[in-house]
Amino acid sequence: TQLLEQSPQFLSIQEGENLTVYCNSSSVFSSLQWYRQEPGEGPVLLVTVVTGGEVKKLKRLTFQFGDARKDSSLHITAAQPGDTGLYLCAGAAGSTLGRLYFGRGTQLTVWP
Amino acid sequence: NAGVMQNPRHLVRRRGQEARLRCSPMKGHSHVYWYRQLPEEGLKFMVYLQKENIIDESGMPKERFSAEFPKEGPSILRIQQVVRGDSAAYFCASSPTTSGGLSYNEQFFGPGTRLTVL
Repeated sequence: TQLLEQSPQFLSIQEGENLTVYCNSSSVFSSLQWYRQEPGEGPVLLVTVVTGGEVKKLKRLTFQFGDARKDSSLHITAAQPGDTGLYLCAGAAGSTLGRLYFGRGTQLTVWP
Repeated sequence: NAGVMQNPRHLVRRRGQEARLRCSPMKGHSHVYWYRQLPEEGLKFMVYLQKENIIDESGMPKERFSAEFPKEGPSILRIQQVVRGDSAAYFCASSPTTSGGLSYNEQFFGPGTRLTVL
């Protein structure tokens, strides 16, 4: 059973387009992280959101944590080929310190 | 300002051999986590350790797998008598703190060890 569901699983777009990927759960998380992973490498932390309704911006990337802290979204404006990668969301549950629960990821490909 | 270091990056073993994976956390981090990534399955938690203590091993297979984080030296994930199903990418992450109450748990990952069992 996957605690975090990510959608879409695959996304292929042209440079300059906007996109949104989603991370949903029926569980509440005390914090949620977004990572990007490239082939043959480990996940790289992009952002952590903690407060329900929180919005964080990282250049062209906008991250939002749902009011109920059960879901999150990542919006990329004017995507570039360098944004290509596997985007993973991971949640920390307040009752279980330490471990992160990962979604399966969204594989994004941006074509020039 | 080194990040999390893992070695080896690639490891090939024959069925029945032992695999030892090493992880050095970021400087100042005393919490280490191991995850396994299988194709199409995403990252799965295995174990959480602090120095000389196993905090949560609920994701570890009951047999053949063990982990340690000694007072000195790297954390070690050990797989005895490897089988083909153990082939995967194994990632180590470290965290500066996991405070009680509100969990604000940022984990920083190493590059992984890709284990191939022949």
